[in-house]
Amino acid sequence: SQQGEEDPQALSIQEGENATMNCSYKTSINNLQWYRQNSGRGLVHLILIRSNEREKHSGRLRVTLDTSKKSSSLLITASRAADTASYFCAPRAGNMLTFGGGTRLMVKP
Amino acid sequence: DAGVIQSPRHEVTEMGQEVTLRCKPISGHNSLFWYRQTMMRGLELLIYFNNNVPIDDSGMPEDRFSAKMPNASFSTLKIQPSEPRDSAVYFCASRSQGTAGNQPQHFGDGTRLSIL
Repeated sequence: SQQGEEDPQALSIQEGENATMNCSYKTSINNLQWYRQNSGRGLVHLILIRSNEREKHSGRLRVTLDTSKKSSSLLITASRAADTASYFCAPRAGNMLTFGGGTRLMVKP
Repeated sequence: DAGVIQSPRHEVTEMGQEVTLRCKPISGHNSLFWYRQTMMRGLELLIYFNNNVPIDDSGMPEDRFSAKMPNASFSTLKIQPSEPRDSAVYFCASRSQGTAGNQPQHFGDGTRLSIL
């Protein structure tokens, strides 16, 4: 399976610090996507990185992709309490995404 | 723009009852996905449709589960008969075709299902 696996499972930081989450997967992909889920809500798409890209930025988000290592990372800079949520990576192969168990991020004010 | 709309938001019913979950995808999106989320198993893809046609239902747990998409603006996921182990949050997501398959999925807020 090309399921993404996030690491760490849980992360607790202070507001203003950076948060880094890692993702590993197993097979070749078309792209890799990161999603956020707030408690009691659906997943919200954050950023997509194509298989031929190595790094991508969106606001305070920075995503890297290393296809040789089958890994990706999501960096949130200058974190805010509102960033508290679960974060999922989702590698895409074919038409489907497969989601890992997520990283639960808590940002303390 | 309205997002993906799911109903009901919460459903509590007794085991053995039929449960029907509903989803209205974003207008213009041609792919629709049903997921189930539990603490133990995380987020699992149950079935997905492309242009209203079921493409992959390998994630549907058993014959008690069925899904339909009679038109581009409506889909249902039915469980009959329901069992306590079906308790979970069920999400619907839709996606536009876009170019080169690089389109994100848009999720509804889910239906929290409790089978007593």
